[in-house]
Amino acid sequence: NAGVTQTPKFRILKIGQSMTLQCTQDMNHNYMYWYRQDPGMGLKLIYYSVGAGITDKGEVPNGYNVSRSTTEDFPLRLELAAPSQTSVYFCASKKNTEAFFGQGTRLTVV
Amino acid sequence: DQQVKQNSPSLSVQEGRISILNCDYTNSMFDYFLWYKKYPAEGPTFLISISSIKDKNEDGRFTVFLNKSAKHLSLHIVPSQPGDSAVYFCAASVVGSQGNLIFGKGTKLSVKP
Repeated sequence: NAGVTQTPKFRILKIGQSMTLQCTQDMNHNYMYWYRQDPGMGLKLIYYSVGAGITDKGEVPNGYNVSRSTTEDFPLRLELAAPSQTSVYFCASKKNTEAFFGQGTRLTVV
Repeated sequence: DQQVKQNSPSLSVQEGRISILNCDYTNSMFDYFLWYKKYPAEGPTFLISISSIKDKNEDGRFTVFLNKSAKHLSLHIVPSQPGDSAVYFCAASVVGSQGNLIFGKGTKLSVKP
């Protein structure tokens, strides 16, 4: 059972580079989320989607973009990487009340 | 301003004893609360939840208590085991809206043998 799959697991980016964090789920969940977790902090919501074609900003959306062309996939795009985006990123999906998380992507911007 | 607060960054408990993790919230619209457990280098995993219409929910060694008037919930683990050592996140949501989960900062539980 795959659940929520994130790739890559680790990445080092140089300042100003761009990349896409991939997230896919096989549970046919409508809701999908991107969170970031900084050391000693909780998870902060970056973007979310309530279904294919619908996305909206969360608490900390600056510097990121998302798209939701299918129910399964919810990629997160960083256009101009900055050191402040060094973090662990978690994708999650939810049907009713319980969210299921991927294993995370540890991103370092140098 | 934090809507979900976990004021204890860490907790150390002896194996076999009770672990009590606390969580406070400020938004009275929250009507569903969850606890997640997170091991290093893994994503959070769902542990237990409670609806605002209840004041207690039990699942094996884990019990969550909700005190709506105090806007406080707690997670009890009895008996604690070394494998319970992890970071525990409290989360809250408003069911029926986008259902976004708002997380606390987490409490790192260490259970010593």
